Amino acid sequence: GESVGLHLPTLSVQEGDNSIINCAYSNSASDYFIWYKQESGKGPQFIIDIRSNMDKRQGQRVTVLLNKTVKHLSLQIAATQPGDSAVYFCAEAYAGNNRKLIWGLGTSLAVNP
Amino acid sequence: NAGVTQTPKFQVLKTGQSMTLQCAQDMNHEYMSWYRQDPGMGLRLIHYSVGAGITDQGEVPNGYNVSRSTTEDFPLRLLSAAPSQTSVYFCASGYNEQFFGPGTRLTVL
Repeated sequence: GESVGLHLPTLSVQEGDNSIINCAYSNSASDYFIWYKQESGKGPQFIIDIRSNMDKRQGQRVTVLLNKTVKHLSLQIAATQPGDSAVYFCAEAYAGNNRKLIWGLGTSLAVNP
Repeated sequence: NAGVTQTPKFQVLKTGQSMTLQCAQDMNHEYMSWYRQDPGMGLRLIHYSVGAGITDQGEVPNGYNVSRSTTEDFPLRLLSAAPSQTSVYFCASGYNEQFFGPGTRLTVL
């Protein structure tokens, strides 16, 4: 989910477990969705994207699922590693907004060794 | 191939001072953006550009100016800094998959 204010939702997992990070998006007209990873002190880094004509897309150790009915997006990370510890952001875009990305507030993932 | 570079990395200003945050990319992208990021929040779009000579406002443009004279460079100018502009500023290059610079941490006293 998403939070309002200074406290990010936090997901804590054990190394080797699978992680699922959820995101509720705002606009039913959005047709493009993207996940970014931001490590402490760095800029966001692209992970994976998906278009609205798909409901699932897989990358290396990551899977994004899109449920347009309930406007929900999730990022699954397989065999989570300490290097996956970061803040994860989802973002959406749609043609009527000149395709500017609309960002979620982020979820902090902590991987315990 | 340096990607997206930003300077300076850190800056402290006094209220009312002006400054320019520099951003350059070497990926020949037409689309570039400036964001600010505040603690516990996502990224908010300040200004963006779809190509040299073309800029437009984002979500929080007040107090900031941009120009785009070349494809490579997209500077952000703070006209009269205010404490509310204390933030981390990120420049990004690319349309959907955006590549981000390392950020500039700005403190306005």
